[in-house]
Amino acid sequence: EPEVTQTPSHQVTQMGQEVILRCVPISNHLYFYWYRQILGQKVEFLVSFYNNEISEKSEIFDDQFSVERPDGSNFTLKIRSTKLEDSAMYFCASRRLAHEQYFGPGTRLTVT
Amino acid sequence: AQSVTQPDIHITVSEGASLELRCNYSYGATPYLFWYVQSPGQGLQLLLKYFSGDTLVQGIKGFEAEFKRSQSSFNLRKPSVHWSDAAEYFCAVGAHAGGTSYGKLTFGQGTILTVHP
Repeated sequence: EPEVTQTPSHQVTQMGQEVILRCVPISNHLYFYWYRQILGQKVEFLVSFYNNEISEKSEIFDDQFSVERPDGSNFTLKIRSTKLEDSAMYFCASRRLAHEQYFGPGTRLTVT
Repeated sequence: AQSVTQPDIHITVSEGASLELRCNYSYGATPYLFWYVQSPGQGLQLLLKYFSGDTLVQGIKGFEAEFKRSQSSFNLRKPSVHWSDAAEYFCAVGAHAGGTSYGKLTFGQGTILTVHP
């Protein structure tokens, strides 16, 4: 069964550094998402991406964040200058025409 | 704005007992509703979904959920819980895709399920 994959599974970075989180969505999916989950809190929507552009973003998704689909398979989330409060589990999700989203296993980002 | 409330933060049941996890949503139209399960250190796995039609939906692992529009609820049930069901369960409402909305999910706080032998 096809699945969403994410790399790395755990990333440790220093405050102020740039990080790129990578996702490979399911191959025939058209809509792509990033969510994050701060430890002990609910899963929060960050951004959705369709037809090579951002279709919706939350207030969390400020200028420090960007997304890209550099080729036909990868979907990346970049955080330009990480802060301590960016420490969280980041989930990528994708969906096709039906509405269920399939989630990847997540990348745990630790900012020190 | 859409929102989801899961009133129970933590539920403990004995193995073999029945289970009901509560979920209330707020959304301006007919919602798309989902239950996801997250085991420790794992991603989110879809248990079941409601889009339209029959208000009682069946999912994987023997779970079912019932959509009650009058109560704005989508409670998850299982008749007999197994120890492997111990996990965190998230209810989510999805925005309609179309127009400017592209299906973002809004999640509840989650309910942690502990199963006693």
